[in-house]
Amino acid sequence: DTEVTQTPKHLVMGMTNKKSLKCEQHMGHRAMYWYKQKAKKPPELMFVYSYEKLSINESVPSRFSPECPNSSLLNLHLHALQPEDSALYLCASSQEGFSVTSTEAFFGQGTRLTVV
Amino acid sequence: GQQLNQSPQSMFIQEGEDVSMNCTSSSIFNTWLWYKQDPGEGPVLLIALYKAGELTSNGRLTAQFGTTRKDSFLNISASIPSDVGIYFCAGQLPSGAQKLVFGQGTRLTINP
Repeated sequence: DTEVTQTPKHLVMGMTNKKSLKCEQHMGHRAMYWYKQKAKKPPELMFVYSYEKLSINESVPSRFSPECPNSSLLNLHLHALQPEDSALYLCASSQEGFSVTSTEAFFGQGTRLTVV
Repeated sequence: GQQLNQSPQSMFIQEGEDVSMNCTSSSIFNTWLWYKQDPGEGPVLLIALYKAGELTSNGRLTAQFGTTRKDSFLNISASIPSDVGIYFCAGQLPSGAQKLVFGQGTRLTINP
């Protein structure tokens, strides 16, 4: 099973709303990631969690707040977003954390976010 | 930041033709990954490469990790309509344990 599950698949939110994106994997992976992808562009790394601790924040604005409640779950809390934040948000996971020997990252289907 | 130069940006081919795309960089990478992405979906891992010179196949797909560790190519033989999509290479830098650098993608279109 190489499945990463993201919910919801689509989300429309206003600029004053608070919403959360959810990601779940049951592969025993200890590294989980949030990526943002704009149309016709490659995924851009936002955050990395390793062993449930935030290890990388790619200078993401504070209106995006990640959370890793346990080794299987990853959330992305959204607040006061701007229309330019509309994108496909992808979650991924991989087997290893700090000492990387395998970086095969498996992606979820993504959440298509539209900010109005 | 680090960049991967992926080419070509787009390809328009006839069904049954072979396809070749590649990624190059000025930096050395520890790992090369090739992904395919369909519209509105997440990238799907096709092939992972871990050693310089490694040649790996997955059905009609073949990928190689360049001997200099600065490049990789992906070949698709006898293309079929379901091969349509965007192909991304991604590399892991030696110092960036959890950061993948992505190429800009190759958009493949197949004429039946």
